[in-house]
Order: sequence, then C-alpha cells, then structure tokens
Amino acid sequence: SQTIHQWPATLVQPVGSPLSLECTVEGTSNPNLYWYRQAAGRGLQLLFYSVGIGQISSEVPQNLSASRPQDRQFILSSKKLLLSDSGFYLCAWIGTGFDGYTFGSGTRLTVV
Amino acid sequence: AQKITQTQPGMFVQEKEAVTLDCTYDTSDQSYGLFWYKQPSSGEMIFLIYQGSYDEQNATEGRYSLNFQKARKSANLVISASQLGDSAMYFCAMSPFNTGRRALTFGSGTRLQVQP
Repeated sequence: SQTIHQWPATLVQPVGSPLSLECTVEGTSNPNLYWYRQAAGRGLQLLFYSVGIGQISSEVPQNLSASRPQDRQFILSSKKLLLSDSGFYLCAWIGTGFDGYTFGSGTRLTVV
Repeated sequence: AQKITQTQPGMFVQEKEAVTLDCTYDTSDQSYGLFWYKQPSSGEMIFLIYQGSYDEQNATEGRYSLNFQKARKSANLVISASQLGDSAMYFCAMSPFNTGRRALTFGSGTRLQVQP
C-alpha cells in the first residue's frame, strides 16, 4: 500500500535557526511531490513541487528551499527562519495516474 | 493559471440535514480535475470526492455528492444527513491533467459547523 510519512509533527524554532522537514513516500515510484504551507485559518499555498530526483520548482519567492535527494524523499529547508515562516506545512504526492493526491499528516511550525 | 473561489467562510447546519458548500473555479485548461478535501482540527487533509472535467455524471461517494455545472464553472459539494463529525474545514481544489506540474490549487475554505 502507498503511504506518506512526514515529520516532525510539531516544531518550535527561534528566529534565525535552520530548518529541515522531511517527507518520504512508500509504495510508489517516480511520484510528483509537493510542499504546501497553510497559514492559520487559510487555504493551502503551493511552495515547491518536484517531478523527479533533483528537479525542484519554486512557486513563490521565499526564505525556504527544497531538495529531492532520492525518488521518494522530499526535504524542506531554511538556513535562517523568519517569524513569517510560521505555519502548517504539508507534503503531498500523486502517482503517474490521476487517482488522487495523498497528504502527509503535516508539521506545525512556530517560529519564536 | 487556475483559481478557486469559496464564498462561504462559515456555514451552520442542523444534524441530519443536508448542506451545500459552494465552489467556483476559473481555468483555461480543457482537461482538469476537481476535488474536495475535509480538514478536521487535527490538520490532516482527507480526500472526499473527485470529478473529472469530462465526466458527464456528477460524482458521488456515500453521503457526499458533487454538483458539477461545467458551463457555470461550479463544483458544489453536497453533504446529506449531516453528522456532528462533519464539523471541519472544507476545501475545494483543482488540478490540470495534462501538465507535468499537476499541482492542486486550493480555495480559501469553508468552516462547517454541525449543530445537534
């Protein structure tokens, strides 16, 4: 079966500290992978997507970066966090078909 | 580019009654998919229902149905026989079929509260 793992669930980080959020997918190969951010009470905004290893597309200018070192691994990073980076981060994937998108359980990031 | 509009920030419904959540969309793509997701307070995104742009019949999944009106570019979600557990945020989303990106574009959501 296909599953998606995302961790950590919650994170409190000081301003200026680095960030690394990881997402891994099981049970599929060559998925499209996505990072979304959700501000409190708002919809989901697409940050990055990847169609293959090493292929990253950025949707909005920001303080974050993404990497895909392996087919089923997607990492969201920052060298120095800003207060505005606080939010709920969700990883998602879709396979080669069009049978729906699967989301991870999310990481709630608070920058203090 | 795609745009999703959900004009109802909040909705109330009595338990066991039906409720319709509105969604309109704008796209220049000929082939696309429309989705509805439920987000409870835990934050997880739960897939509810999907409608393809070329599907002639409205999608149904249990108590959920999607009222798809292509000419009006609307994809409203109908929940029948509301339950207390239906209280959550509901998001409408869409994705084009024939691009490598295939990313979901979301609306701003509707908070549904089911009252006993």
